[in-house]
Amino acid sequence: DVKVTQSSRYLVKRTGEKVFLECVQDMDHENMFWYRQDPGLGLRLIYFSYDVKMKEKGDIPEGYSVSREKKERFSLILESASTNQTSMYLCASSLSGQGWRFHGYTFGSGTRLTVV
Amino acid sequence: TQLLEQSPQFLSIQEGENLTVYCNSSSVFSSLQWYRQEPGEGPVLLVTVVTGGEVKKLKRLTFQFGDARKDSSLHITAAQPGDTGLYLCAGFRLRTGTASKLTFGTGTRLQVTL
Repeated sequence: DVKVTQSSRYLVKRTGEKVFLECVQDMDHENMFWYRQDPGLGLRLIYFSYDVKMKEKGDIPEGYSVSREKKERFSLILESASTNQTSMYLCASSLSGQGWRFHGYTFGSGTRLTVV
Repeated sequence: TQLLEQSPQFLSIQEGENLTVYCNSSSVFSSLQWYRQEPGEGPVLLVTVVTGGEVKKLKRLTFQFGDARKDSSLHITAAQPGDTGLYLCAGFRLRTGTASKLTFGTGTRLQVTL
């Protein structure tokens, strides 16, 4: 069964810590995405990547960075965690070209991050 | 700026009732998708609509894309407890020089009770 795997379901970190969220997909998808999900705001795009070592800012990139050294792995980095980054983080992947329109995005189960 | 507004935000109904969820925008989308997210899981694709005025049915779920491709609706007939979840619409706008990416709506949380 194809899937997107996020390394942690729950994380608790202290303010100022450097936080790494890992995401791995086994579908050979070109595109990978990081979203955060907050009640009433839906999913907001943080960063995405359309190829190895390529990245683009989404709608809310401030305070975050990403790394994609291998096609199957996309990491989200919080350089110095703050309490307003407490949220559910969702990783997703998709085919490039027109393929995604029929298969959509495949999401991981999410990481609930609490910054105290 | 939230480009896709969903209504209602919350909906609690009894089994067997019908309901409609709306997804509205001032922007035109080339296509629109609906996802359902269950607690503790990521969203799962339900349907993609592409053509203005298009109607798609998935068992008891009926999806419609507005003629102007700015809005969409999801209608559920005879809701069941298994329909409980967060429903998200997501629109795609064609852009040059960038990878395809979706803009998600604000979400509608549906609870169906016995």
